[in-house]
Amino acid sequence: EPEVTQTPSHQVTQMGQEVILRCVPISNHLYFYWYRQILGQKVEFLVSFYNNEISEKSEIFDDQFSVERPDGSNFTLKIRSTKLEDSAMYFCASSEKWGKGKTEAFFGQGTRLTVV
Amino acid sequence: AQSVTQPDIHITVSEGASLELRCNYSYGATPYLFWYVQSPGQGLQLLLKYFSGDTLVQGIKGFEAEFKRSQSSFNLRKPSVHWSDAAEYFCAVARNRDDKIIFGKGTRLHILP
Repeated sequence: EPEVTQTPSHQVTQMGQEVILRCVPISNHLYFYWYRQILGQKVEFLVSFYNNEISEKSEIFDDQFSVERPDGSNFTLKIRSTKLEDSAMYFCASSEKWGKGKTEAFFGQGTRLTVV
Repeated sequence: AQSVTQPDIHITVSEGASLELRCNYSYGATPYLFWYVQSPGQGLQLLLKYFSGDTLVQGIKGFEAEFKRSQSSFNLRKPSVHWSDAAEYFCAVARNRDDKIIFGKGTRLHILP
């Protein structure tokens, strides 16, 4: 069964460092998302991406964050200068276009980012 | 803006007992509703979804949920839980098929042997 793959599963980085979280969405999917879950809190929407551009972003997704689809398979989230409060589980998701809309999102296993 | 409320942070049930996890949403029109499960150290897995039609939807792993417009609820049920059902359960809503998903805070399910 196709699945969304995220790497690494766990990343530790020092405060102020740049980090790139990688995702390989399901191959025929066209919509891509990043969500995050701070420990003990709910899953929060960060950004959606369609047709090689951001379609929506939350207020959390400030200038420190960027997303990119550098090739036909990867979808990345970059945090330019990490802060302690960026420590969270980051989930990538993708969905395919179906009719006039899209199907439900399929989520990856997540990358746990720890900023020290 | 739409929102999701899961009033129970933790629920404990005995193995073999029935289960109901509560979810209330806030949105003017009929939303798209989802239940996801997250096992420890795992990602989010879709259990079931409601877009339209029959208000009782069947999902994977023996779960079902019922959409009740009058109560703005989408409660998740299972007639007999198994120890492997211990996980965190998230109710989620989207305004339409093209919209982002908004998650509730989750309910952690504990199973007693």
